Amino acid sequence: EAQVTQNPRYLITVTGKKLTVTCSQNMNHEYMSWYRQDPGLGLRQIYYSMNVEVTDKGDVPEGYKVSRKEKRNFPLILESPSPNQTSLYFCASSPVPPGGPEAFFGQGTRLTVV
Amino acid sequence: GESVGLHLPTLSVQEGDNSIINCAYSNSASDYFIWYKQESGKGPQFIIDIRSNMDKRQGQRVTVLLNKTVKHLSLQIAATQPGDSAVYFCAEGSISSGSARQLTFGSGTQLTVLP
Repeated sequence: EAQVTQNPRYLITVTGKKLTVTCSQNMNHEYMSWYRQDPGLGLRQIYYSMNVEVTDKGDVPEGYKVSRKEKRNFPLILESPSPNQTSLYFCASSPVPPGGPEAFFGQGTRLTVV
Repeated sequence: GESVGLHLPTLSVQEGDNSIINCAYSNSASDYFIWYKQESGKGPQFIIDIRSNMDKRQGQRVTVLLNKTVKHLSLQIAATQPGDSAVYFCAEGSISSGSARQLTFGSGTQLTVLP
């Protein structure tokens, strides 16, 4: 079954404690991206990757890091989380260009930073 | 930067009626537009897309209309069903500009289907 898998689904952490949210896809898609979703703001792109070892900033990259060492994985790293990073995060993958009927989103990770 | 927005944050319709969800965009360089449906607790799901060289596209019970003159996009859902209750997002992308690798999402409209 084609899918994008994020882990964990829920996470509560404290300010400053490094964390990683994993994302894996099984469709051999070139393009992967991370979004955060906040009430009234829709989805905003954090980072995206066109292929292995190719990453770029989205609209709201501050406070986040990503890596793309393998095609299937695209982890999101928060080196020093802060309360303003409390949000719902989605990973997505698709062929290039992004979006379209072949794009898949993960189930989301709800992060709370206290 | 460029933005994609929605006219109404919420929409309530009677079951069986048609629904129309609107979206305004500002990036005239957008090459394609996508509508997504997001049910509670789930990630967005693709509904339908349309290229900028089209003004109408139909799917199963859904129709997307694109008016480039006024930069307006709409999603029409025929015979709305309870399972259509969700948040609907429009998104726009470009394959011909410098930001070709990004999708820009609107803020979403909550559609509620009343019995």
